[in-house]
Amino acid sequence: DTAVSQTPKYLVTQMGNDKSIKCEQNLGHDTMYWYKQDSKKFLKIMFSYNNKELIINETVPNRFSPKSPDKAHLNLHINSLELGDSAVYFCASSQGAVSSGNTIYFGEGSWLTVV
Amino acid sequence: ILNVEQSPQSLHVQEGDSTNFTCSFPSSNFYALHWYRWETAKSPEALFVMTLNGDEKKKGRISATLNTKEGYSYLYIKGSQPEDSATYLCAPPTGGFKTIFGAGTRLFVKA
Repeated sequence: DTAVSQTPKYLVTQMGNDKSIKCEQNLGHDTMYWYKQDSKKFLKIMFSYNNKELIINETVPNRFSPKSPDKAHLNLHINSLELGDSAVYFCASSQGAVSSGNTIYFGEGSWLTVV
Repeated sequence: ILNVEQSPQSLHVQEGDSTNFTCSFPSSNFYALHWYRWETAKSPEALFVMTLNGDEKKKGRISATLNTKEGYSYLYIKGSQPEDSATYLCAPPTGGFKTIFGAGTRLFVKA
């Protein structure tokens, strides 16, 4: 039973399209995240929701919009896709603040390719 | 925290070798340090979380130490096996729910 699951795993789409990546966690965690693996392979945080409230919103183009319908779901919608959006996007969750020692649990990633 | 450095970037060892790598981070405003193991095409998985200076954690053949005063952590693997091949990430939180991930050390273990 996958703890953090995200769909689709692979997505190839054309520039200008709008696409969504869905994420669900069955760990009962209060906090969910979206991370992007950049071109240098670093994991960079994009957004975080705690109890459905947006708590982290990094410098991300406003074409990216997260939505959390409930604590177990955090979806990522991307408008007007650009070539530079091609990356691997990871959904994750944690029970509480990582600075308090709570572990982040990651999904398997969604490989987005914009052509 | 401005910068997390991991060294070496990559490491090739033979099966049975013991190895270690380093994570360096600014020592001010320390909260915790997480180590993750990331196999290709899979999701990063937590290995250890350490919070206190001098902490030592062990899981099987893998262990880690923490020095918060000088800002470094070591990860050791004893008797490396091919299944240990992965990228090892360290991640010190910057406060609250934010974490900065290092670039990782990519370990290749040859049978």
